[in-house]
Amino acid sequence: GDSVTQMEGPVTLSEEAFLTINCTYTATGYPSLFWYVQYPGEGLQLLLKATKADDKGSNKGFEATYRKETTSFHLEKGSVQVSDSAVYFCALRSNKLVFGAGTILRVKS
Amino acid sequence: NAGVTQTPKFQVLKTGQSMTLQCAQDMNHEYMSWYRQDPGMGLRLIHYSVGAGITDQGEVPNGYNVSRSTTEDFPLRLLSAAPSQTSVYFCASSYSGGGRESYEQYFGPGTRLTVT
Repeated sequence: GDSVTQMEGPVTLSEEAFLTINCTYTATGYPSLFWYVQYPGEGLQLLLKATKADDKGSNKGFEATYRKETTSFHLEKGSVQVSDSAVYFCALRSNKLVFGAGTILRVKS
Repeated sequence: NAGVTQTPKFQVLKTGQSMTLQCAQDMNHEYMSWYRQDPGMGLRLIHYSVGAGITDQGEVPNGYNVSRSTTEDFPLRLLSAAPSQTSVYFCASSYSGGGRESYEQYFGPGTRLTVT
C-alpha cells in the first residue's frame, strides 16, 4: 500500500541554520504530495503542496520539490527561526491521505 | 467561519465506557475524516466520509463507529473504551476526498483521550 517515510527526529538546529527534512514515498500512480506543520497544542496546518513531478511547493520560506525519479519530497528552509519549532509531517494523497510519522524540529536561539 | 471544531478537548474514560467525540465544520466540505495520532506513528485514518449518508473504514477502524447524517457533523463513537485507544484524535475536512485531488485538509484542534 501507499506509505511515507520521514527522517527520524528530533532535529535540533541553531537559529539561522539550514534545514532539510527528508521524505520519501511509495505509491501507485501519481499522488499529490504535502507538508503539514503542527505547532504545540494545535491541529495540523497545510504548509505547502505539489501536485505533479518537478513542481516546487513553497510557503513561509520553506520549499519542497516533487522528485518522481527518486520518489522524494524533501523539505528545506535556508534560515530557520525559533518560531519554526514544530512537528512536520510529509503526506501523500492518491485515493486517501497517508501521513509519515512526523519529524520534531527544535530551533535554539 | 469557525472552521473545524471538536469537543471535548480532553476526556478521561474508564475501560468499557462509551462516548462520542464531536466534530463539526461550517465550510460546506464534502469530505470529513477522523485520525488518531500516536507518538512515532504519525496520523492514522480511522473512518472517513465523502458526503452525507456515506462512510467508510480507514486504516484502524476497529472499536470505533461513525455516522454522517448532515454535511456539517461527523461524530466518532467509541463503543467500549480500551487503554489502547488512549490517543489524540483529530477531525479533518476538505472539499473532496476522492482520487488524487490536492485540496487542503483542515484540521480541528484535537481531543486528547485517556482510557484508564
